[in-house]
Amino acid sequence: ETGVTQSPTHLIKTRGQQVTLRCSSQSGHNTVSWYQQALGQGPQFIFQYYREEENGRGNFPPRFSGLQFPNYSSELNVNALELDDSALYLCASSLAGRGDQETQYFGPGTRLLVL
Amino acid sequence: LAKTTQPISMDSYEGQEVNITCSHNNIATNDYITWYQQFPSQGPRFIIQGYKTKVTNEVASLFIPADRKSSTLSLPRVSLSDTAVYYCLVGPVTGGGNKLTFGTGTQLKVEL
Repeated sequence: ETGVTQSPTHLIKTRGQQVTLRCSSQSGHNTVSWYQQALGQGPQFIFQYYREEENGRGNFPPRFSGLQFPNYSSELNVNALELDDSALYLCASSLAGRGDQETQYFGPGTRLLVL
Repeated sequence: LAKTTQPISMDSYEGQEVNITCSHNNIATNDYITWYQQFPSQGPRFIIQGYKTKVTNEVASLFIPADRKSSTLSLPRVSLSDTAVYYCLVGPVTGGGNKLTFGTGTQLKVEL
């Protein structure tokens, strides 16, 4: 167990809808990263938040957005859902700013299906 | 970020030692090597991380030669529960905006 939790575990939406996924970081961690994992592929980096600000973004369109709250929990929002957004969404928390290794610890993921 | 190359799949039997090698020819000076394990429909689980020589923990060893252009994850005496996908990642682990770049990983299958 990493202490990183995500909700919901599964979700079904239809094309064009909006979705919000939630992540609670491991205690003491100040950084959260989000990844999308399509079936049979490795996780792909979406973005990272550090102290409530976006701190790095992968090759994802603006309809993927996020928030990090003062307690370091986080949300991933996806607007105008497309069929290709069906995937496992993972969040990972880490402790940045110590000047040493910043290992990322993953939650169990949210399985999103877009119909 | 340095690109990694690892075998797509490996097969083994219970009780054997498994070595998975990862190539990362253009690794940078400030890059670390990290291995994750992932079971179906679960998040990746951190296994081990190192910079050079040898690192060992309770589940695995990581061997890194002097030139750091490759690394080997060693799993001693595997069991059926070690059947999973193993990812080798290379990149800096300090500073903000640190994204992990995953490849397709190595599917390890352990049989009786």
